[in-house]
Amino acid sequence: KNEVEQSPQNLTAQEGEFITINCSYSVGISALHWLQQHPGGGIVSLFMLSSGKKKHGRLIATINIQEKHSSLHITASHPRDSAVYICAVRSSGGGADGLTFGKGTHLIIQP
Amino acid sequence: DAGVTQSPTHLIKTRGQQVTLRCSPKSGHDTVSWYQQALGQGPQFIFQYYEEEERQRGNFPDRFSGHQFPNYSSELNVNALLLGDSALYLCASSLGWGIGGYTFGSGTRLTVV
Repeated sequence: KNEVEQSPQNLTAQEGEFITINCSYSVGISALHWLQQHPGGGIVSLFMLSSGKKKHGRLIATINIQEKHSSLHITASHPRDSAVYICAVRSSGGGADGLTFGKGTHLIIQP
Repeated sequence: DAGVTQSPTHLIKTRGQQVTLRCSPKSGHDTVSWYQQALGQGPQFIFQYYEEEERQRGNFPDRFSGHQFPNYSSELNVNALLLGDSALYLCASSLGWGIGGYTFGSGTRLTVV
């Protein structure tokens, strides 16, 4: 079982719909990242969370540390939001641990 | 302000050859992490460099090695290439332990034939 699980793996929605992507993890973490990857491969960091909720434009990220769960929401979705969204965690085990990534959620927003 | 720069963007190598990938971190960052992303998978942590030393390593064989230079730029070397090494190699930079977050490069697409 992967340490970071995302759902759904694939999501197709219509423009304007409210989108939710979920991430569950099994280890203690010091931070959780939501990342966006476009077909060219480059990754953009959207959020870094250790508690609570963050909002940036139409994007909202929440985390529940007790339940080891985070969600990424997109309001008023647009075709330009089409990308792979990746959840990644940095464990709290100490040391310079690299990030552990989920497999990503492939989102397609149709006009 | 330049972000993370990786070179080359694409590379084709023959099985058994050696390859060197390069990464320049974001200005102000001193730590470089390398990741391998196979097609359809999430990135996997290879190793992290800080103060010119390998500070942490993921589950990758010794064929994967690296280096960090005094200007914080880094190289990833892979020896004796296998077909399974074909992947997107991502570099991420951060300041220290990454408490302030990470900045990712666009990656190097390596194809081994």
